[in-house]
Amino acid sequence: AQKITQTQPGMFVQEKEAVTLDCTYDTSDPSYGLFWYKQPSSGEMIFLIYQGSYDQQNATEGRYSLNFQKARKSANLVISASQLGDSAMYFCAMREGKDYKLSFGAGTTVTVRA
Amino acid sequence: SAVISQKPSRDICQRGTSLTIQCQVDSQVTMMFWYRQQPGQSLTLIATANQGSEATYESGFVIDKFPISRPNLTFSTLTVSNMSPEDSSIYLCSVERHHQETQYFGPGTRLLVL
Repeated sequence: AQKITQTQPGMFVQEKEAVTLDCTYDTSDPSYGLFWYKQPSSGEMIFLIYQGSYDQQNATEGRYSLNFQKARKSANLVISASQLGDSAMYFCAMREGKDYKLSFGAGTTVTVRA
Repeated sequence: SAVISQKPSRDICQRGTSLTIQCQVDSQVTMMFWYRQQPGQSLTLIATANQGSEATYESGFVIDKFPISRPNLTFSTLTVSNMSPEDSSIYLCSVERHHQETQYFGPGTRLLVL
């Protein structure tokens, strides 16, 4: 079974607007971490934000925030005030328990329009 | 975070040849990993590079095809052996400074096999 599901293959957003990228996960381990990475066309993977399963509050990092709904097993990324430089592929990933391995979703391509 | 460099950044190779990719970190890290990203796909973990011992390979990846070295805590190499066009991918190394922390990625190596 897929551990991480990203159902939106591509999204368009107008500059300065907010966009929400969906991510649902599947795990039976009570301890896990959720990550979002950005991959521009250059190919590098840029870490954006982290949410631990025991964290009480939703994570925020600048214009990035994570809408963590534990009961629904979702960890959506919200990018506020989109900029042209936000155009990239975005990956949701999970690490379970003491495992070192990251499981990645299929990714969502975001295109920001001027 | 850590500053991670990879060499080469890209290469075009002939089938049947081998290519060695280097990953250098600016400080000592506990964990180093190698990932493959095939065109249009998500990331797949190839192996964990263990300092001073043989790498730990994921299902579907074998040492004869992807030999890995990690002579110290800041450096690792991945060799793609006897290449075929199916090996055309982005190869990324990632590091964790300490176990269970965020994984940071290098800039990637784009490989095209003709």
